[in-house]
Amino acid sequence: SQTIHQWPATLVQPVGSPLSLECTVEGTSNPNLYWYRQAAGRGLQLLFYSVGIGQISSEVPQNLSASRPQDRQFILSSKKLLLSDSGFYLCAWSQAGKMNTEAFFGQGTRLTVV
Amino acid sequence: AQKITQTQPGMFVQEKEAVTLDCTYDTSDQSYGLFWYKQPSSGEMIFLIYQGSYDEQNATEGRYSLNFQKARKSANLVISASQLGDSAMYFCAMRGYYLMNTGFQKLVFGTGTRLLVSP
Repeated sequence: SQTIHQWPATLVQPVGSPLSLECTVEGTSNPNLYWYRQAAGRGLQLLFYSVGIGQISSEVPQNLSASRPQDRQFILSSKKLLLSDSGFYLCAWSQAGKMNTEAFFGQGTRLTVV
Repeated sequence: AQKITQTQPGMFVQEKEAVTLDCTYDTSDQSYGLFWYKQPSSGEMIFLIYQGSYDEQNATEGRYSLNFQKARKSANLVISASQLGDSAMYFCAMRGYYLMNTGFQKLVFGTGTRLLVSP
């Protein structure tokens, strides 16, 4: 069966420090991968998505970047965190080419920039 | 561009009653999928129900049903016989069709509705 792992679960980082959040998927190949951010009490904002290794699309200009070094690995990074980067970050995957299958989400990372 | 609108920031319902959570969408795609997710206070995203744009019948999954009105571009979630455990945020989402033959479908979410079920 397919599973998605996302870590760490919580993170407190000072302003100006770097960030690396990792997400890995097991039990499937060539998944579509997503990074979302959710501000407190708000909806999910799509940050990045990827259809394959090294293929990253950004939805909004921001202080963050994403990479997909392996088929089932998706990394969210920042060189220097801002206070506005605080939020709940969710990684998700879905089967490529399948309209009627849902996206599966990781447990999320709650990031607080202080 | 795709857009999902959920106009109800919060809804209250008494236990055992039915509740409808509204969702309207905007897309130029002919083929698309509509989803509802539940997010309890733990933060996890739980998939509830799916409706395809070409499905003629409304989707149902246990106590969840989707009132799909394609002409009005609405996909409301109906929860029957509400339970205390239904208290959570509920998100409507839409996936469009292929992007440049990559097989990718962008999944876009609404802002959510917070449902509170009272005893």
